[in-house]
Amino acid sequence: AQTVTQSQPEMSVQEAETVTLSCTYDTSESDYYLFWYKQPPSRQMILVIRQEAYKQQNATENRFSVNFQKAAKSFSLKISDSQLGDAAMYFCAYNGGSQGNLIFGKGTKLSVKP
Amino acid sequence: SAVISQKPSRDICQRGTSLTIQCQVDSQVTMMFWYRQQPGQSLTLIATANQGSEATYESGFVIDKFPISRPNLTFSTLTVSNMSPEDSSIYLCSVTRDSTDTQYFGPGTRLTVL
Repeated sequence: AQTVTQSQPEMSVQEAETVTLSCTYDTSESDYYLFWYKQPPSRQMILVIRQEAYKQQNATENRFSVNFQKAAKSFSLKISDSQLGDAAMYFCAYNGGSQGNLIFGKGTKLSVKP
Repeated sequence: SAVISQKPSRDICQRGTSLTIQCQVDSQVTMMFWYRQQPGQSLTLIATANQGSEATYESGFVIDKFPISRPNLTFSTLTVSNMSPEDSSIYLCSVTRDSTDTQYFGPGTRLTVL
């Protein structure tokens, strides 16, 4: 069975600094999809970034980028120029593609200090 | 991305009663899912809502406790039956066009059972 592990329950970053959130996963599939979602206190799940496993190039979305290491089964999220609005729970998620459902890690709570 | 609404946004219910949560999408989608997020926890898939047929439940979730309907491609309901305090959670629906596409989430329903 596939699993997703986020080893950092909480992280803190100074405003305007850079922070990296870690995620590892376990799968025997070769094609799959990885996501980072953000959940602020409003509880709305917001897509941050998506990575297809067959793509070697790391995905980027403005201040958000990933470091995807397929062989190591690692998928970390880097947030540059952190803003107060980035404070939230961040969940790493895996989709094997056949059933369509997401398997989530336990989440990392990110605090941003002014 | 799709615009997804859920009703109610929150509710406080008595033990032994049932609550039906609605999920409405502004466009036709192929796949709809229901997730549960217990307090301070990650998201766990309850079931895949199938249009025109019975929902597909994950291990640990049964139809008698969580009956699901999906009468068309834009609407689904989840009922939490015979509630107990352990059912206090956030319930989220999500949608996607196909099994490999990005999932988008509704705003969630916060349920408290007394």
